Amino acid sequence: KQEVTQIPAALSVPEGENLVLNCSFTDSAIYNLQWFRQDPGKGLTSLLLIQSSQREQTSGRLNASLDKSSGRSTLYIAASQPGDSATYLCAVIYNFNKFYFGSGTKLNVKP
Amino acid sequence: NAGVTQTPKFRVLKTGQSMTLLCAQDMNHEYMYWYRQDPGMGLRLIHYSVGEGTTAKGEVPDGYNVSRLKKQNFLLGLESAAPSQTSVYFCASSYRLVSEEETQYFGPGTRLLVL
Repeated sequence: KQEVTQIPAALSVPEGENLVLNCSFTDSAIYNLQWFRQDPGKGLTSLLLIQSSQREQTSGRLNASLDKSSGRSTLYIAASQPGDSATYLCAVIYNFNKFYFGSGTKLNVKP
Repeated sequence: NAGVTQTPKFRVLKTGQSMTLLCAQDMNHEYMYWYRQDPGMGLRLIHYSVGEGTTAKGEVPDGYNVSRLKKQNFLLGLESAAPSQTSVYFCASSYRLVSEEETQYFGPGTRLLVL
């Protein structure tokens, strides 16, 4: 069974810092990896999707990398803002009916 | 567009009671999914559907049933609720297989407490 681990579980940083969130998975035979954002009491919003043939994806201040061979992905957030405060989840898509989510990293960006 | 909506937002049940959670999407998506989210465990797939009239089991299907009678609706049923089913339930939908570029769109969640 695929296991997805996210470290750290929680992170508090001052506004303006660059930060890295980590995601690791045990089975490297994945189709894709996706990063989501979850705000309290709300659903998940997709941030970035990296296909298995890709090594990174960028959207604005966000950059996600994927290293299949080592079973790792990182989400880099540049110049963090208080509005970035949320829980960030990574999901590994193993095949169509096998999605495995990490338990998330709760980020707090202090003004 | 409303996107993905879920009804109800919050519900308290007694052990043994039954209920149905409703998910609706107005994006003409073929695929729909039900997840549960528990503290420290991330989201786990309960059931999914690849089109009207079809359903399939996910990772944790026991104790739940689903139906997809209309393309836009996906219902999750609990026939006899148990305290272990206390969780936050999320519905999601996607146009194509999520293993391609298309992403999933999530509803706001239903918080269920079983006493």
